[in-house]
Order: sequence, then C-alpha cells, then structure tokens
Amino acid sequence: EPEVTQTPSHQVTQMGQEVILRCVPISNHLYFYWYRQILGQKVEFLVSFYNNEISEKSEIFDDQFSVERPDGSNFTLKIRSTKLEDSAMYFCASRAGTYGYTFGSGTRLTVV
Amino acid sequence: GEDVEQSLFLSVREGDSSVINCTYTDSSSTYLYWYKQEPGAGLQLLTYIFSNMDMKQDQRLTVLLNKKDKHLSLRIADTQTGDSAIYFCAESLTDSWGKLQFGAGTQVVVTP
Repeated sequence: EPEVTQTPSHQVTQMGQEVILRCVPISNHLYFYWYRQILGQKVEFLVSFYNNEISEKSEIFDDQFSVERPDGSNFTLKIRSTKLEDSAMYFCASRAGTYGYTFGSGTRLTVV
Repeated sequence: GEDVEQSLFLSVREGDSSVINCTYTDSSSTYLYWYKQEPGAGLQLLTYIFSNMDMKQDQRLTVLLNKKDKHLSLRIADTQTGDSAIYFCAESLTDSWGKLQFGAGTQVVVTP
C-alpha cells in the first residue's frame, strides 16, 4: 500500500537554528498538509498546499514557517529560527480526492 | 467555534466492546474520520464515514453518525490488547481545503 514517508524520524536542534522536515507524499496525490502534535495535546493543522502554493494556513503557521515542493516529489516544512515551543511531532499528510487522507509516521522535533 | 470533543479515557476488558464517543461542530462536514495512534507512532486511519450515512461497519469496527446531534461514535467489538491506543475523531471542514479538525483523543486501555 502506498505510504507517506517522513524523514528524519527524530531531530534534535538548538534553539534559534533552522530545521527542514522532509516528506515524500504519495505520488498521485494532489493535496499536501502539515500538522503538528505537541506532546499530550491534540493534532493541529498547520498548512495545506495545492497546485504549488499554500491554500490555507493556521495562526500557528507564522513567518517562521515555510513550505516547499522543490522537485515534484518532496514536500518540506522549514522552521527558520526554532523556539522551545516548536518541540512537537510533525505529521505530513497527502490526499488524492475528497477523502483518503494518508499520514506519515511523523518527525519528532526536539528543540533544546 | 470549531471544536471536536471526545472523552479522554476509556478502560475496557479484553473481549468486551468499546464505544468511543465524539461530538463535532460543523453541521456540513462531509467526512468524519477515526484515527488510531499507538505510542510514539503516527496516525493510522481506521475508518471514515460520509455525512449522508448513518452507519458504517468494517469488520470489528462500527461507526454510528447522528447528524442531528452532531454525534459520532466508534464501537470496537471483541476488544483486544492490541487495540490499546489513543483514538482520534476528526472532521473534514467544508469551508477549507480539506483541513481536518481533530478531537483531543480518547486513551483506550484494554485490560486482560
């Protein structure tokens, strides 16, 4: 069964550093998403991406965040200057049509 | 506002049925989902229901939808220890690009 692949599975970074979280969505999917889950809390929407541009973003997705689909297969989330409160599990997801969301297994980001 | 509510904890004995409840807010949600998350793992889609359905059965899983009360439930028959996990209810919001709004999750603990 097709999968959404995320790398790395765990990243530790120092506060103020830039991080790039990588995702390879399912190849025929058109809609791409990033969500995050702070430990013990609910899964929160960050951003959706369609047709090579952001279609919707949440209040969390401020100027420190950016997304890119550089080569037609990868989908990346960049955090420019990480803060302690950015520590969370970040999930990438993709979907083809109306339903059928597929999530990756997540990247655990720890900011120290 | 947009808030999906779930009870936080459920303890069930092995072999019994589990029922996890959820209330959602968007009366025009198109799809409602149940996801399972095991410790340290990603989000596994268990099942979904289209909003024009009242019930959906998939092996041990039964989803009931009451649109009038905006109430969704997931019944797991013959609960096994491998069913111990956090279960998230999510709604697909109609006024967005497929953004999912998640509940806080229900921790299900199955005891022998």
